[in-house]
Amino acid sequence: GQQLNQSPQSMFIQEGEDVSMNCTSSSIFNTWLWYKQDPGEGPVLLIALYKAGELTSNGRLTAQFGTTRKDSFLNISASIPSDVGIYFCAAARRDDKIIFGKGTRLHILP
Amino acid sequence: DAMVIQNPRYQVTQFGKPVTLSCSQTLNHNVMYWYQQKSSQAPKLLFHYYDKDFNNEADTPDNFQSRRPNTSFCFLDIRSPGLGDAAMYLCATSRAYNEQFFGPGTRLTVL
Repeated sequence: GQQLNQSPQSMFIQEGEDVSMNCTSSSIFNTWLWYKQDPGEGPVLLIALYKAGELTSNGRLTAQFGTTRKDSFLNISASIPSDVGIYFCAAARRDDKIIFGKGTRLHILP
Repeated sequence: DAMVIQNPRYQVTQFGKPVTLSCSQTLNHNVMYWYQQKSSQAPKLLFHYYDKDFNNEADTPDNFQSRRPNTSFCFLDIRSPGLGDAAMYLCATSRAYNEQFFGPGTRLTVL
């Protein structure tokens, strides 16, 4: 069945560093989404991508919809302590519900 | 602000004692979802309503039921909670199968 492979599983970085994570699949999708989840809260939608090759920014976050429609990446520039959390990629085919990756847990070292 | 609301945020129940979690939304979305999330894992879809149509995931135990009395509300009933059902339960909504918006979740503890 459809599956999203999200990497890395976790990452430890210094405050101020840039972060990059990605999500790949063997299936083609029409929509890619990136969510962030803080401890004890529900996931919050960060960026939604609808077109192959699309590059979208939200403040310090930038995400791209891969040209093959099988992958997406999320970059965070100049990380700050509140960036800590779990980042989930999600994707959907047209007229189908979304599926989630397993998440990337971001830790920021003081 | 339009939002997804879940009550209560924390629920404690006893082993085998039925429990109901509630979700309401002011987004006027026609699709509502219930997810179970255990520690450090991705949310796992239990079922969803597309309008009034109920869609169960194949691996959702019979112990979990849902009701959607109107567009705004959706309930998750756990008929006989076991220790393995302790988790965060997330409600989400979407307009058709577009991006989903999540509530803050209800953390269920089973004693």
